Amino acid sequence: DQQVKQNSPSLSVQEGRISILNCDYTNSMFDYFLWYKKYPAEGPTFLISISSIKDKNEDGRFTVFLNKSAKHLSLHIVPSQPGDSAVYFCAASKIQGAQKLVFGQGTRLTINP
Amino acid sequence: NAGVTQTPKFQVLKTGQSMTLQCAQDMNHNSMYWYRQDPGMGLRLIYYSASEGTTDKGEVPNGYNVSRLNKREFSLRLESAAPSQTSVYFCASSDAGQGWNEQFFGPGTRLTVL
Repeated sequence: DQQVKQNSPSLSVQEGRISILNCDYTNSMFDYFLWYKKYPAEGPTFLISISSIKDKNEDGRFTVFLNKSAKHLSLHIVPSQPGDSAVYFCAASKIQGAQKLVFGQGTRLTINP
Repeated sequence: NAGVTQTPKFQVLKTGQSMTLQCAQDMNHNSMYWYRQDPGMGLRLIYYSASEGTTDKGEVPNGYNVSRLNKREFSLRLESAAPSQTSVYFCASSDAGQGWNEQFFGPGTRLTVL
């Protein structure tokens, strides 16, 4: 039972354009959502997050949108840069308690020059 | 600050062998976690420790044991390794308390079981 799903295993975008990564979840108890970025042979690093009381959070080139009724979130990267090439994981959690993360399968983003 | 460190970086085991993966954090975090990453599966939680002295099962605990040795260290033990445990293992820590606190990940241990 995959509670967090990233249906696109890979995405290729031209440098300077917008990258949009999508994520769906099934558990309505999740109240915090995160994106992590992972380079090869490294651990995931936190990128941006959003609480369920918001529908948008922005940090520089990165914006996360949350549609609670659709149980869907997306990460927008504008403009895309070659250094953004990595695997992006969507994750969900409950704020209270141990804050265990449930991850999606990941999307490999490739930015082409 | 080293953040979260993991040893070893790589390990090859034969079926039935045992080993312990070590994890330490120097951020004074209360909570620590062990995940495994498999192709097409994302990261899945094996065990976690919400605070020193407590441990609980995650999504995929079978075949593993953990020890929260002190606030800094959280080890993962495979008593009798199986090929299905071939994976990349990540340790993470966070200062879980009021509100959300970011989880910091170590660099991972790549384990192959033959």
